[in-house]
Amino acid sequence: QQQVKQSPQSLIVQKGGISIINCAYENTAFDYFPWYQQFPGKGPALLIAIRPDVSEKKEGRFTISFNKSAKQFSLHIMDSQPGDSATYFCAAASTSGTYKYIFGTGTRLKVLA
Amino acid sequence: DSGVTQTPKHLITATGQRVTLRCSPRSGDLSVYWYQQSLDQGLQFLIQYYNGEERAKGNILERFSAQQFPDLHSELNLSSLELGDSALYFCASSVGEWQETQYFGPGTRLLVL
Repeated sequence: QQQVKQSPQSLIVQKGGISIINCAYENTAFDYFPWYQQFPGKGPALLIAIRPDVSEKKEGRFTISFNKSAKQFSLHIMDSQPGDSATYFCAAASTSGTYKYIFGTGTRLKVLA
Repeated sequence: DSGVTQTPKHLITATGQRVTLRCSPRSGDLSVYWYQQSLDQGLQFLIQYYNGEERAKGNILERFSAQQFPDLHSELNLSSLELGDSALYFCASSVGEWQETQYFGPGTRLLVL
């Protein structure tokens, strides 16, 4: 119940293409769904996050789509650039009661120039 | 630069040994989190401290312990080290007790030989 399943494990996209990474969770107590971006040799950094009261959030080229009934959420990177090449982690968190912050296993994205 | 500092950057030690990893949170942040990142396990939440007190515990082994000091820096102690403890250890910090955004440090790479 505490797992967050992330797919694909790796992704190769042409420059200008759309990158899509999917995550699924089980615990309905989760109420915060962030995406983190990690470059080699660096710690993860928050990219964008969503709460379950909205179905979509967009920040620049990055969009989170959220499907509460299916318990799934996804990250879309529009007009993907070589500089977007990194590992992306989704996470699900419960921000009340017993604090839990569960990360997906990560997606290694490579954007070809 | 997230403002979270971790030392040392790299650590090589032998099985059975004990090491201490250090983390200084961002100025003003009261919560410190520790994570273990390995290739096959992704990011695993270990433990959270808030203003000196333990707040949440994840998959932390009994051989591991942590504390947060009055100046808010934190130390993660790993003892009786095993080969499988080789991983990246990240510290993150946030403003409040259940703050959603966590700021990650650059990590400590531990290699147990």
